[in-house]
Amino acid sequence: DGGITQSPKYLFRKEGQNVTLSCEQNLNHDAMYWYRQDPGQGLRLIYYSQIVNDFQKGDIAEGYSVSREKKESFPLTVTSAQKNPTAFYLCASSVPGQGASGYTFGSGTRLTVV
Amino acid sequence: AQSVAQPEDQVNVAEGNPLTVKCTYSVSGNPYLFWYVQYPNRGLQFLLKYITGDNLVKGSYGFEAEFNKSQTSFHLKKPSALVSDSALYFCSEVKAAGNKLTFGGGTRVLVKP
Repeated sequence: DGGITQSPKYLFRKEGQNVTLSCEQNLNHDAMYWYRQDPGQGLRLIYYSQIVNDFQKGDIAEGYSVSREKKESFPLTVTSAQKNPTAFYLCASSVPGQGASGYTFGSGTRLTVV
Repeated sequence: AQSVAQPEDQVNVAEGNPLTVKCTYSVSGNPYLFWYVQYPNRGLQFLLKYITGDNLVKGSYGFEAEFNKSQTSFHLKKPSALVSDSALYFCSEVKAAGNKLTFGGGTRVLVKP
């Protein structure tokens, strides 16, 4: 079945460490997105990529980095510069330019700083 | 400011009663509107969407939503709520020619037995 796989489901990070969250899709979607979800604040866009080797900052990109070397993969690195990284992270994909198709979401990664 | 607004943080309803989750949008022209549901520690699942045509849209799990252009609303409804409908619900919109979804802040629904 086609879908998006996020791993790991739970991730613990020590202060000052960088961690990378994985997002893989086999839907043949060109566009991919990373969202952060905090309680009571809904979803906020971190980064998005419309095509391979290209990506743009979203609303809260500071302290995060991404790469898009392959169509199927859009990993997110939470750097030590992100002061409050504890959150639920969601990856999504879509067909670019086809807003009517909506998004397909992964199951999320819960990151906790210890 | 959010372009999609969900005015209620939480909605409580008794099982078997009608459920309504409110949403207003601000995209001018012809917006594409979506409802998603999220269960604890899971991703968002698509419920329904309005693109064009009939203002009443039927979706998954017995949910429906009514597009009201004059009130710029897209409220989610279910005639008879189930305890299993307890979840977090998100309304979202995208410009017709665009791709980026904008999400409301979410409404938590609690259905009590």
